[in-house]
Amino acid sequence: GNSVTQMEGPVTLSEEAFLTINCTYTATGYPSLFWYVQYPGEGLQLLLKATKADDKGSNKGFEATYRKETTSFHLEKGSVQVSDSAVYFCALGADDYKLSFGAGTTVTVRA
Amino acid sequence: DGGITQSPKYLFRKEGQNVTLSCEQNLNHDAMYWYRQDPGQGLRLIYYSQIVNDFQKGDIAEGYSVSREKKESFPLTVTSAQKNPTAFYLCASSQPGRSTDTQYFGPGTRLTVL
Repeated sequence: GNSVTQMEGPVTLSEEAFLTINCTYTATGYPSLFWYVQYPGEGLQLLLKATKADDKGSNKGFEATYRKETTSFHLEKGSVQVSDSAVYFCALGADDYKLSFGAGTTVTVRA
Repeated sequence: DGGITQSPKYLFRKEGQNVTLSCEQNLNHDAMYWYRQDPGQGLRLIYYSQIVNDFQKGDIAEGYSVSREKKESFPLTVTSAQKNPTAFYLCASSQPGRSTDTQYFGPGTRLTVL
């Protein structure tokens, strides 16, 4: 079946540090890959997505590249801010009307 | 503004009671979904509906029920048969309804069993 494994947290960083959150997946077919962000007490917001191999999704300084050869979709940001403190979820969508989510990674950025 | 609304934001239930969580969307999406989120875990799919008057069980449907009488509404009932209902519940919608398409989420309802 389809599944997503993402880096365990929590992750604590200082402002302007580099952030990487690893995400690998198992899927049949050609899935789409997503990163969602959840701020405290809120629902999930789409951060970025990629629909085919070698696509790069980007938004708000975050980037992730769909790597079919390594079945990965790692999230990166070159310089984090306190406002980036949130829970980040990697997700996979295949042809079965379901999204498979990773467990989430809590990121805290200190001033 | 287009979006998804969920109500109430917080809900308290006594053991043995059924409660209904509301989800409304004005995005004109055909597909709607209910997820459950527990601390330290990803989201798990409870039910989904691809079209009005049709819905399918997700991975953890036991103890839950839904209806889809209108395109914009997809209420979730947590029944007394659900043994551990305390969780954060999220509703989502998408168009045209395949999971390769982006799902948009509501703000969630936090249910606590007293």
